Amino acid sequence: GAVVSQHPSRVICKSGTSVKIECRSLDFQATTMFWYRQFPKQSLMLMATSNEGSKATYEQGVEKDKFLINHASLTLSTLTVTSAHPEDSSFYICSAGLSTDTQYFGPGTRLTVL
Amino acid sequence: DAKTTQPPSMDCAEGRAANLPCNHSTISGNEYVYWYRQIHSQGPQYIIHGLKNNETNEMASLIITEDRKSSTLILPHATLRDTAVYYCIATFRGSNYKLTFGKGTLLTVNP
Repeated sequence: GAVVSQHPSRVICKSGTSVKIECRSLDFQATTMFWYRQFPKQSLMLMATSNEGSKATYEQGVEKDKFLINHASLTLSTLTVTSAHPEDSSFYICSAGLSTDTQYFGPGTRLTVL
Repeated sequence: DAKTTQPPSMDCAEGRAANLPCNHSTISGNEYVYWYRQIHSQGPQYIIHGLKNNETNEMASLIITEDRKSSTLILPHATLRDTAVYYCIATFRGSNYKLTFGKGTLLTVNP
């Protein structure tokens, strides 16, 4: 149990295009999902907290108009990187909470912007 | 969340116990200690968490000192697949509480 999936696992896009990443909790419902970004040789940095049916809460320094988050159901949250540029190339990871105990993470999505 | 301090790297021989320390001297009374690990190019994996009592599950044991200012994660019989970055996080319990990841400890299990 407690499986979180992400799609796609890897994506390469041209500069200026938008990319959508999906995060799904496969065997449980999650009212809250989190989105992280990880640059090479660095730790995970929280980007935003996504609550089902409401607007996401973004961490300081994260542009909400560039990183669009939608949490339309209890099992799905999406992150759209709009007008992607090479500096947005990174490893994007989501997590979802199970009951009141802990969070479980997806396998991550490697984004490369050319 | 309370700040945690971990050694940047550790080595362990395969089959031996790996003991990973973590300092969290400013932890508050209702903050839990969580441990996650991240194998290269994968998402973090939950290992264990505890408040003040020692905890054990199928993956590891967590030993928390009586004053709760430090803890140790124990992998009883390390394998090569346990090579990963291990993160110790002090935070409030609940799936809605965000996790703040530090730099963690890179554990290398050697054959």
